[in-house]
Amino acid sequence: EVQLVQSGAEVKKPGESLRISCKASGYTFTTFWISWVRLVPGKGLEWMARIDPSDSYTNYSPSFQGHVTVSTDRSINTAFLQWSSLKASDTGLYFCGRHDGGLNWFDPWGQGTLVTVSS
Amino acid sequence: SDELAQPLSVSVALGQTARISCGGSNIGIRNVHWYQLKPGQAPVVVIYRETNRPSGIPERFSGSKSGNTATLTISGAQAGDEADYYCQVWDNPTAVFGGGTKLTVL
Repeated sequence: EVQLVQSGAEVKKPGESLRISCKASGYTFTTFWISWVRLVPGKGLEWMARIDPSDSYTNYSPSFQGHVTVSTDRSINTAFLQWSSLKASDTGLYFCGRHDGGLNWFDPWGQGTLVTVSS
Repeated sequence: SDELAQPLSVSVALGQTARISCGGSNIGIRNVHWYQLKPGQAPVVVIYRETNRPSGIPERFSGSKSGNTATLTISGAQAGDEADYYCQVWDNPTAVFGGGTKLTVL
């Protein structure tokens, strides 16, 4: 079974750093891209970035470029989303999703990681 | 970049047909995908490439596209279909989601 399992909920203070993870199983990790998507109440789903695990090539949404970094560790079939300095506005539910390089649909998705940033 | 417009909410009586639209200036040349999002659950693709239904998705879910509007149709809506629905396209190299539609089954 193809699965993406994300790390648990996080509570952080503004200015702190954070890395959340998305572990893939049930398929060859390097043959599909991973995207990160944020859900904020009242704003809906927002696409943040994608990474090709085969060569670590990335694309970022202009809205998130420079504020987050996506990466992978092929040795453990895991993708990461990280912040070096969190803001309160980063509070949200973050999903990872698998898709192919043909710009197709996301399937499956991880279960989501809730990030709360509050002083 | 592409922007996708969805109605904020759609209501449908139990067993009736719900239609959720997704409009955008470039939808005619894009592949449109639809996702169902329920509280506490991961999003699920219910229609891909306008009209294709993944295995495991009930036949009551269907999709279509005409001009610059794509439509998700739920025929014979069930209580379990109550959820938020999002359309999505790629505006290479970025993905774009519609604002989401809350489906209420009365």
